Amino acid sequence: RKEVEQDPGPFNVPEGATVAFNCTYSNSASQSFFWYRQDCRKEPKLLMSVYSSGNEDGRFTAQLNRASQYISLLIRDSKLSDSATYLCVVNINNNDMRFGAGTRLTVKP
Amino acid sequence: GAGVSQSPSNKVTEKGKDVELRCDPISGHTALYWYRQSLGQGLEFLIYFQGNSAPDKSGLPSDRFSAERTGGSVSTLTIQRTQQEDSAVYLCASSLDSGSPTDTQYFGPGTRLTVL
Repeated sequence: RKEVEQDPGPFNVPEGATVAFNCTYSNSASQSFFWYRQDCRKEPKLLMSVYSSGNEDGRFTAQLNRASQYISLLIRDSKLSDSATYLCVVNINNNDMRFGAGTRLTVKP
Repeated sequence: GAGVSQSPSNKVTEKGKDVELRCDPISGHTALYWYRQSLGQGLEFLIYFQGNSAPDKSGLPSDRFSAERTGGSVSTLTIQRTQQEDSAVYLCASSLDSGSPTDTQYFGPGTRLTVL
């Protein structure tokens, strides 16, 4: 089993739609969690950290469920510019970071 | 301030040649990571430097790969006797490594390696 698993997609949604991605992780001792965004042929960039209580940043909401070992990312009112690959990242121990393979999102007009 | 920089941005080499890839982390960041990303794939962890500790080399795919970090700053990833399957984007990242589990990684733009 992979340490971090994501549905690769692609998710194709119209502008304005709400879309959600899930990510599961295998190491129950994982310490912290992040969502990164990677545009085509670009480096990954931090989108948001994921906190235990869940957190929101504008149209983006991240949730963590430690009991079930999954993380989610919800995007509301999706924009064309949201088209990218979303990477789930888990810090399993002292900055030992593991990346999921990513979920590809395409937002269409 | 300046972000993570990598050089060269592109490298084309012939099979069997050695290559060196360079990474300049963000000033003050003590943790440095190398990853490899093949086309359409996720990031593959290669090696991790943390301060003055021995590096975590568990991700290096073969003994043709090596990396060093001089003076706790600049790092060089060396691939000897390159093979076509080494073709990928090599990404470097650094983090503050303050001990907080919320430390995040900042990535350089990557070096695109093509082995002919």
